[in-house]
Amino acid sequence: QVQLVQSGAEVKKPGASVNVSCKASGYTFTAYYIHWVRQAPGQGLEWMGWINPNSGDTNFAQNFQGRVTMTRDTSISTAYVELSRLTSDDTAVYYCARGGNLSPWGQGTLVTVSS
Amino acid sequence: EIVLTQSPATLSLSPGERATLSCRASQSVSRSLAWFQQKPGQAPRLLIYDASNRATGIPARFSGSGSGTDFTLTISSLEPEDFAVYYCQQRSNWLFGQGTRLEIK
Repeated sequence: QVQLVQSGAEVKKPGASVNVSCKASGYTFTAYYIHWVRQAPGQGLEWMGWINPNSGDTNFAQNFQGRVTMTRDTSISTAYVELSRLTSDDTAVYYCARGGNLSPWGQGTLVTVSS
Repeated sequence: EIVLTQSPATLSLSPGERATLSCRASQSVSRSLAWFQQKPGQAPRLLIYDASNRATGIPARFSGSGSGTDFTLTISSLEPEDFAVYYCQQRSNWLFGQGTRLEIK
């Protein structure tokens, strides 16, 4: 079955960077975009951007321009999001999701930014 | 940028009742709108795509309608497991609405 499995929880200091991975299985990895969405505690969903695993092309939400990088490794069917210059406002659960319909989603990765 | 506004923010209903959730776009998104359900501690789940198409495995009591700027998610008869938060999202700039919390009355 189609599945996205994300890396484990992270704790980071302000100013650091975090890298979250999303491993795909059950389908052809290069055939579907991967979207990244985050959710701060008690808040709604915030779209971060997408990566085309076939070409490596990316598109980011304006809020994250200059601070986010999305990459992929097609040899292991894995997408990555890196967010730099972290602040406490970046404390959130980070999700990956497949394709234009954003289905399915990974299980989420909690990133905590704290001094 | 296109902004989605969901209403109401909270909807209180009883099992068996009909739920009607609204999503309004600040400009036309044609039919490029999806609905997601999120339960506490879980990832969101796709319910409806392209305004009215049910995703695989979604019960028939869920239906979507609308086009342009006004969209509706209807749950015909609420089951206990339907009480959750619902989000709409459009595919022009991929932004989400702020969500509607559907709670048990």
